[in-house]
Amino acid sequence: GAGVSQSPSNKVTEKGKDVELRCDPISGHTALYWYRQSLGQGLEFLIYFQGNSAPDKSGLPSDRFSAERTGGSVSTLTIQRTQQEDSAVYLCASSLGVSTEAFFGQGTRLTVV
Amino acid sequence: TQLLEQSPQFLSIQEGENLTVYCNSSSVFSSLQWYRQEPGEGPVLLVTVVTGGEVKKLKRLTFQFGDARKDSSLHITAAQTGDTGLYLCAAGWGGKLIFGQGTELSVKP
Repeated sequence: GAGVSQSPSNKVTEKGKDVELRCDPISGHTALYWYRQSLGQGLEFLIYFQGNSAPDKSGLPSDRFSAERTGGSVSTLTIQRTQQEDSAVYLCASSLGVSTEAFFGQGTRLTVV
Repeated sequence: TQLLEQSPQFLSIQEGENLTVYCNSSSVFSSLQWYRQEPGEGPVLLVTVVTGGEVKKLKRLTFQFGDARKDSSLHITAAQTGDTGLYLCAAGWGGKLIFGQGTELSVKP
């Protein structure tokens, strides 16, 4: 596709359930980021993949959060045993590298009820 | 604490007014980016500044990178309702792209 694609666009889940969020980056982009954004706030860094290097997981808020990137392309962010405080918009971005333009998807709005 | 501090956090002005938003840090960056985000969308890059003291213009928007490459400003001349949105600065740090907390701008007709 022409841009970064995220799915689903909206997800409502019950507290305690697991969710998976998907990101299809722009073809050829070696860098992939996940961010979390609460209403009207900035972007909280979660995790960063760069090529074949080990991912930078330093922003993951707890061990309930994990992410993988298969074949250097599609990425999945998994949140286990969701809590109400996990409710936010999860944004994925891809780029050619750090400090180059990051292209964002439209995000997945997660609501935990 | 935020590596990139943006101010103000919220700004509500009338159409036609001028405004400036700031992005400050105690750290030095090789470059800094400004993004704009509209509701329901992901952020979109406006500009990248690279050289200390650099000034870039994008129509009514003027971006400046501080001489010491620790801070940046965005000035909007004669704001329009279409300028409404969340303005974010970002920089590469520790091998990843990090963002400020944003300035929420509302331009009223």
